[in-house]
Amino acid sequence: DTAVSQTPKYLVTQMGNDKSIKCEQNLGHDTMYWYKQDSKKFLKIMFSYNNKELIINETVPNRFSPKSPDKAHLNLHINSLELGDSAVYFCASSKGTLVYSPLHFGNGTRLTVT
Amino acid sequence: AQRVTQPEKLLSVFKGAPVELKCNYSYSGSPELFWYVQYSRQRLQLLLRHISRESIKGFTADLNKGETSFHLKKPFAQEEDSAMYYCALKAGGTSYGKLTFGQGTILTVHP
Repeated sequence: DTAVSQTPKYLVTQMGNDKSIKCEQNLGHDTMYWYKQDSKKFLKIMFSYNNKELIINETVPNRFSPKSPDKAHLNLHINSLELGDSAVYFCASSKGTLVYSPLHFGNGTRLTVT
Repeated sequence: AQRVTQPEKLLSVFKGAPVELKCNYSYSGSPELFWYVQYSRQRLQLLLRHISRESIKGFTADLNKGETSFHLKKPFAQEEDSAMYYCALKAGGTSYGKLTFGQGTILTVHP
């Protein structure tokens, strides 16, 4: 089944902890993204990698550190979690960065920080 | 910088009625516009894109550069159309493929 898959689907943790979210795509795409959907359902880009290189970093706190070991994976590590980090995090991929190339999204990871 | 505005947070219609979800954008160049849909408990998925000029699930969207709009329309809404709809813009050049989303519109189709 070709898709963008994220794990875990749900993540509940306490303030101050460090957690990671994993993302893998088997679509053969070379560009991957992390988006954050806040409580008001607003979707905003956080990072983008093209061929394992960071190309977009949208003023995200440096507690968030993406890592791309290869073109098919883009993981998100979050240090010292805060209440405001509670959101749904979506991974996505696309074939290149051309304007006509649509993004394919994962199912999302719902992060709850208590 | 690019910006996408969906003025309606919530939209309710009855089954069989026409529906129009509004989307306006601001971008000085030639963007590519998309509509994404998120059904309950499902992933965000591409519904249609401007470049394809196609009709998906009875939905169409026309890019109006004069009004900088990309409204989504369907002549006869169905209950299964109930979902969250996002309009999104992709710019070229240094945007590196980034999609800029509107705030989203929750469509509810009543029986």
